[in-house]
Amino acid sequence: EAGVAQSPRYKIIEKRQSVAFWCNPISGHATLYWYQQILGQGPKLLIQFQNNGVVDDSQLPKDRFSAERLKGVDSTLKIQPAKLEDSAVYLCASSIRGGTDVNYGYTFGSGTRLTVV
Amino acid sequence: TQLLEQSPQFLSIQEGENLTVYCNSSSVFSSLQWYRQEPGEGPVLLVTVVTGGEVKKLKRLTFQFGDARKDSSLHITAAQPGDTGLYLCAGGFQKLVFGTGTRLLVSP
Repeated sequence: EAGVAQSPRYKIIEKRQSVAFWCNPISGHATLYWYQQILGQGPKLLIQFQNNGVVDDSQLPKDRFSAERLKGVDSTLKIQPAKLEDSAVYLCASSIRGGTDVNYGYTFGSGTRLTVV
Repeated sequence: TQLLEQSPQFLSIQEGENLTVYCNSSSVFSSLQWYRQEPGEGPVLLVTVVTGGEVKKLKRLTFQFGDARKDSSLHITAAQPGDTGLYLCAGGFQKLVFGTGTRLLVSP
C-alpha cells in the first residue's frame, strides 16, 4: 500500500513570504493530521481533519496558518506570512479513523523541512 | 493538556550496551504508543501498549506500560547502530500527543 505522500521535501523562504505544503494520505484513511516538529522536539499537532471537516485546530496559529482538506482526500497547509520561528518539519499523518485506536497507529509522511531566513 | 516527558533527552552509547528510555506523565492514558524516527523521515510506529503493567517485546526492544497507565519505558538490549534515531512516546484518546523525544546514538 502506498504511504502518505508529502511535497515538497524541502523549502527555503524569506520571512514574510508565503508557503504551502501538500499531503496525500493513504487511500481510505478518513482522518488526516498536520504536525509541526521543531528540531529535537516531539511533533506538535496543528490540525486534525475527519474526512473534510475540522475536528481540532486549537493549536493552529490562525492569524498566519490555514489548512484545508477539500473532498476529504488531499490536504494543503499554508503559512502566510512566515516568521523565523516557523522553521520546522511539517509532518502529515493519516489514520483509518479518528481517535487513537489501539489497533492502528498513525502513518506519517516524510515531512517538509521548512527553513525561514 | 496531557503532557509526556521523556528522559533522557539524549543518549550516546557503544554498540552492545543496554539502555532504557522513560516516558512519564501526570495524566492517565488509555494506551501509549512508541515511535522511532530516523533523520529525514516521519515517525514509524513500533508498538502500542494498552493494559496497565503490560510488557511487550519486539526483538531486542522491551516496552512496559506502568500499572497506573501514567508512564512507560523502552528497554533496548545489546544496542546496534541501526537503533540510532529519535524515540517518541505518544498517547491520547481523540488525538495523539507526543513526548519530548529521546535521541539515541549508537556507535560501532
